[in-house]
Amino acid sequence: TQLLEQSPQFLSIQEGENLTVYCNSSSVFSSLQWYRQEPGEGPVLLVTVVTGGEVKKLKRLTFQFGDARKDSSLHITAAQPGDTGLYLCAGANAGGTSYGKLTFGQGTILTVHP
Amino acid sequence: EAGVTQSPTHLIKTRGQQATLRCSPISGHTSVYWYQQALGLGLQFLLWYDEGEERNRGNFPPRFSGRQFPNYSSELNVNALELEDSALYLCASSGGRRYTDTQYFGPGTRLTVL
Repeated sequence: TQLLEQSPQFLSIQEGENLTVYCNSSSVFSSLQWYRQEPGEGPVLLVTVVTGGEVKKLKRLTFQFGDARKDSSLHITAAQPGDTGLYLCAGANAGGTSYGKLTFGQGTILTVHP
Repeated sequence: EAGVTQSPTHLIKTRGQQATLRCSPISGHTSVYWYQQALGLGLQFLLWYDEGEERNRGNFPPRFSGRQFPNYSSELNVNALELEDSALYLCASSGGRRYTDTQYFGPGTRLTVL
């Protein structure tokens, strides 16, 4: 069974601060996605990383996939209240019993105070 | 381009009844996935359908079943409802078996079992 450990579970910061969310596993994934979810809504895809060592930037968000494709991080620079939400990492595998399913981390609830 | 749509938005049932949830994928997508997001348990993979066939199944009892129609829309059926089935049920779609990694989610159906 593949597991993704996401940390921290809760993060409460002031506007303008930086933060990093981590996603770790003992399993290798073919790709990893990061989603953001608002209360009562479905997760919205932020990014997909597929190559070990890959770094992707989306405005103030920086995503990194570990060299061994077992871990990932999301870094937010100068957080804003609009960044508040639930952040989820999800790993995918192209074969075996995990084929077609995303394995999700437990999520990080981020609150950015003005 | 329209995203993944789900109906109904909310569904209230009593224990022992059956629930039917519906999902329409993004136009051109052939794969549909179902996930359960229960409080405190994160997103759990339920089922994957592609080209009308069930391709993978998560660790859920047989009373969770579904199907995919020729137009690629899908239905999730939950029989003999139990209180712990109360959750947000999310549907996602992707471009097919070659593109299972990136899944796009709908807004979800909130099922409440009384």
